Amino acid sequence: EIVLTQSPGTLSLSPGERATLSCRASQSVSGRYLTWHQQRPGQAPRLLIYGASSRAAGIPDRFSGSGSGTDFTLTISRLEPEDFAVYYCQQYGSSPYTFGQGTKLEIK
Amino acid sequence: EVQLVQSGPEVKKPGESLKISCKGFGYSFTTDWIGWVRQMPGKGLEWMGIIFPSDSDTRYSPSFQGQVTISVDKSINTAYLQWSSLKASDTAMYYCTRRPVADYWGQGTLVTVSS
Repeated sequence: EIVLTQSPGTLSLSPGERATLSCRASQSVSGRYLTWHQQRPGQAPRLLIYGASSRAAGIPDRFSGSGSGTDFTLTISRLEPEDFAVYYCQQYGSSPYTFGQGTKLEIK
Repeated sequence: EVQLVQSGPEVKKPGESLKISCKGFGYSFTTDWIGWVRQMPGKGLEWMGIIFPSDSDTRYSPSFQGQVTISVDKSINTAYLQWSSLKASDTAMYYCTRRPVADYWGQGTLVTVSS
């Protein structure tokens, strides 16, 4: 089973700043099959990034994903108020399709 | 428009059985995997398992194997998550998702197990 470790656990930033979130896998994620999901309070998660770097439909271009192998990054270029939420990475290269523990992005 | 619509909240007692559902709309249900994800109160997302409606091929996380049953009725475009004997620790929000990539999510079903 691939274990995903996200860092930091909590990130405190201000609107307009740049956010960099990390996701490290315990073994290589095949085919760059890694996603990022956003979950706002009281809502279901939604897909932001798939295939490590492809934005899902309707996702603003301030969100970008990068990485391969065991190290992946989600970058939000300029934070908007609605971006303060919890972010999860997930690998879907090998079953079980595990999630990271999440990074909470909070307003400083 | 693709939608996954889940059944409503449930309140059950320990030891009772339960089956919750997820109905797909707006796409070819039989040819896309449907997964289930657990979120315990105040906690993160946990991948439970996934089923391919066309042939009912099912994969479980080792953490949930034997604890739940995932099934599907492709005649009504509906997937199910089932417990035979609930525990208090099954209290959580349960989400269904489409495809391994989880490109669409249901709205969630809150299951509360309490004596």
